[in-house]
Amino acid sequence: AQSVTQLGSHVSVSEGALVLLRCNYSSSVPPYLFWYVQYPNQGLQLLLKYTTGATLVKGINGFEAEFKKSETSFHLTKPSAHMSDAAEYFCAVSEPQSFGNEKLTFGTGTRLTIIP
Amino acid sequence: ETGVTQTPRHLVMGMTNKKSLKCEQHLGHNAMYWYKQSAKKPLELMFVYSLEERVENNSVPSRFSPECPNSSHLFLHLHTLQPEDSALYLCASSQVYSGTGGRTGANVLTFGAGSRLTVL
Repeated sequence: AQSVTQLGSHVSVSEGALVLLRCNYSSSVPPYLFWYVQYPNQGLQLLLKYTTGATLVKGINGFEAEFKKSETSFHLTKPSAHMSDAAEYFCAVSEPQSFGNEKLTFGTGTRLTIIP
Repeated sequence: ETGVTQTPRHLVMGMTNKKSLKCEQHLGHNAMYWYKQSAKKPLELMFVYSLEERVENNSVPSRFSPECPNSSHLFLHLHTLQPEDSALYLCASSQVYSGTGGRTGANVLTFGAGSRLTVL
């Protein structure tokens, strides 16, 4: 069975500082990995995904994540935090199902607060 | 309307009430999902309708009953709920492909804004 661990349920960074949100996964098959973001009173929105190929993946709003197989990690980073980045971030891993779908397993989320 | 629309956005109900949550997707997707989002817990997949097949999480109580009349509409019927059922219920949709072997690609979900349910 697959699982996702997000270290730190709350992260605070100053505006302009580096954002680092940690995600570790376990999977019995080569993982597909995702980061979703949830702004207040909204649903989840895809930030970026990794399936195969280049291990450094770029997403929307200046975020990127690097797949490190040896560390079973997929940490999310952004060089310079902006006030609009305040939200909850979810890491997810997927595995194939018999009915042709991929089942997503989400982490518990990390709430990012930006300090002015 | 675009994307995934959920109604109502907020619902307060007593334990003896019967209500329904509605979800509509305008993306032409062929799979729809209900997730439950509770504080400090991972998103819980409740039900999936994919390629005309219903898949459910066996741990979901029978007081939750899904209905998917077509690929664009999804309902969650609620009856005799408990206070611990209070949560944000998220609907999502995606395009899935039935392959004859191997993985068919990443399943990217598009979520609605959710229905905030409070059970008194």
